[in-house]
Amino acid sequence: GEDVEQSLFLSVREGDSSVINCTYTDSSSTYLYWYKQEPGAGLQLLTYIFSNMDMKQDQRLTVLLNKKDKHLSLRIADTQTGDSAIYFCAPGAGSYQLTFGKGTKLSVIP
Amino acid sequence: DADVTQTPRNRITKTGKRIMLECSQTKGHDRMYWYRQDPGLGLRLIYYSFDVKDINKGEISDGYSVSRQAQAKFSLSLESAIPNQTALYFCATSEIAGHNEQFFGPGTRLTVL
Repeated sequence: GEDVEQSLFLSVREGDSSVINCTYTDSSSTYLYWYKQEPGAGLQLLTYIFSNMDMKQDQRLTVLLNKKDKHLSLRIADTQTGDSAIYFCAPGAGSYQLTFGKGTKLSVIP
Repeated sequence: DADVTQTPRNRITKTGKRIMLECSQTKGHDRMYWYRQDPGLGLRLIYYSFDVKDINKGEISDGYSVSRQAQAKFSLSLESAIPNQTALYFCATSEIAGHNEQFFGPGTRLTVL
């Protein structure tokens, strides 16, 4: 099955950019998602990228996809304290299945 | 009102007890999922259902069973709870069309003593 790897922790200063990286193994992933989980809450879709794209920008969020290296990244510009959360990478393989990484806990230092 | 609701939100029980976690959705989605989240392990799929008559095991179905009572309702049961089933449980839904974006409930925190 699919393996998805993310670093577990990231700490940045408020106002800096955050970059969360993800590697995956299934080259057939069609949609690749980033979910955000705030403390005590469920997961919310943050953004996604289709596999035929290499970049997607949405306000402060930039997603980069390197299909050759099976590497996905999420950049958050001007990181705010409200961005403190756990971020999950989830490549979508097949018609239904998402495989979640272990999540990267982002801590924003004021 | 939330589109995906889970009850209870918190539950403490004892080893050997039967527990049912319930999930309801108002999104009209056909597909529903149950995941468990453990610290440092991410989310793992327990069961999923494509419609009322279609139930499938996920990655970690042992010790769990499910029931899809209606399109909008999907329940997860632990027939005889054990301490290593202590976790955060999430229900999710998605529609058949589109790109399989999954919508999550708020989670149920289950503690088995």
